[in-house]
Order: sequence, then C-alpha cells, then structure tokens
Amino acid sequence: SQQGEEDPQALSIQEGENATMNCSYKTSINNLQWYRQNSGRGLVHLILIRSNEREKHSGRLRVTLDTSKKSSSLLITASRAADTASYFCAGVYGKLTFGQGTILTVHP
Amino acid sequence: NAGVTQTPKFQVLKTGQSMTLQCAQDMNHEYMSWYRQDPGMGLRLIHYSVGAGITDQGEVPNGYNVSRSTTEDFPLRLLSAAPSQTSVYFCASSHLDHSGRRGYEQYFGPGTRLTVT
Repeated sequence: SQQGEEDPQALSIQEGENATMNCSYKTSINNLQWYRQNSGRGLVHLILIRSNEREKHSGRLRVTLDTSKKSSSLLITASRAADTASYFCAGVYGKLTFGQGTILTVHP
Repeated sequence: NAGVTQTPKFQVLKTGQSMTLQCAQDMNHEYMSWYRQDPGMGLRLIHYSVGAGITDQGEVPNGYNVSRSTTEDFPLRLLSAAPSQTSVYFCASSHLDHSGRRGYEQYFGPGTRLTVT
C-alpha cells in the first residue's frame, strides 16, 4: 500500500493563482521527493527535501517538510496553464514509495 | 544521453502469454526500478536493483521476474500474463546515496502500456 497520501486529489485554479498540495506519510523517511507527470508521460523529478530540512525552494516551487506531523507541502506560485499535470510525493524509506497524486488543472 | 529508454511503447497480450519489457539507461546509474501505474493507485514498486547481480522485491512482485546482468539494462519479465497485469509500466533509475542502498532523484522512462485480454 502507498506510504504517501496527497491532498487534495484534484485542484482547479486560474492562471496566476498559487497552488498548494499536501502530502502525508506513515513511517520515518530519509528524504521526500516531489514529481510531476504530464498526461501519458513518465514522471519528472521536481525537488528533493531531506529529513533534516524544513523548507526548500526551486524557482516557483516551495516545499516544506514537517517530520513531527509526517507531512509535506508543495506550493507552486504564479501558476501557468503549462503547470497542468499530476503531482506526486514519494517518500524514501529505503525504497521510493509514491502516493496517489494530485491532479492540478490551471485554467488560462 | 538518451536517458531511460523503454520498449515496447504498447503491447497487447493474451492471458497466459509471457513477454519481457525492456529498460535501458545510459547514465551509469546504480539503482534501477520498475513501477506499475493504475488509475487511482499511484505508482507501485514491483522490483528494484542496487547494482548488477542484485535485485529485490517491491510492493507487488508476484507474477514478475527481473534480472540485472549489466549496469545498463533491467528487463522485466511477465511469466504468464493475467488481465490484472493490464497497466502502464515505468522503469526508473538513479544514483545511490551514501548508504549504498537508497536511490536519489529518479529518472523515468516514457512507459509501456500493456493490455492483457
């Protein structure tokens, strides 16, 4: 069974708005990674945050990690229509274990 | 670099047939893995390998075999296809971290869409 659970399952916003996706996991992790998947394509790595980090930035992406609550969030600022995709969190517990994903739709 | 390549892109099998999904990477990654993706289920790990000659089971290994004779290749074999194995299969690779056991950022192939009738 999946160790990561994303919330919400689907998110629909307008271009220019911020998008926030949350991820919860069940066991201790070494690091947590976020991936993006465009329809019908493979996954693309976005960002990795280690268990001893609390926040990380990469361009328009901001990831936070709260190990005490076993949760992470991904914020995409100033969203664009091209950000429309599914987003997955994956916890490394020895192996990389994925959640079910959040489907983000950004309307132009 | 071609990255991670998978063949075939599409495959239709009859129940009971066997086949091999091919995966190759040219990044000299130690860690390779196979996932299946089903609607509403995310990605589930089938098998993985931390180096040539070393393989291990993931969450859903039943019905699948793997081998890793070279660093570059990690084929996935379906022994006797069943309709429950209809899915999209992704191969991924990465370097290992300092522990030698865990992968870093994964690079994914484009996927193989398999239908078993």
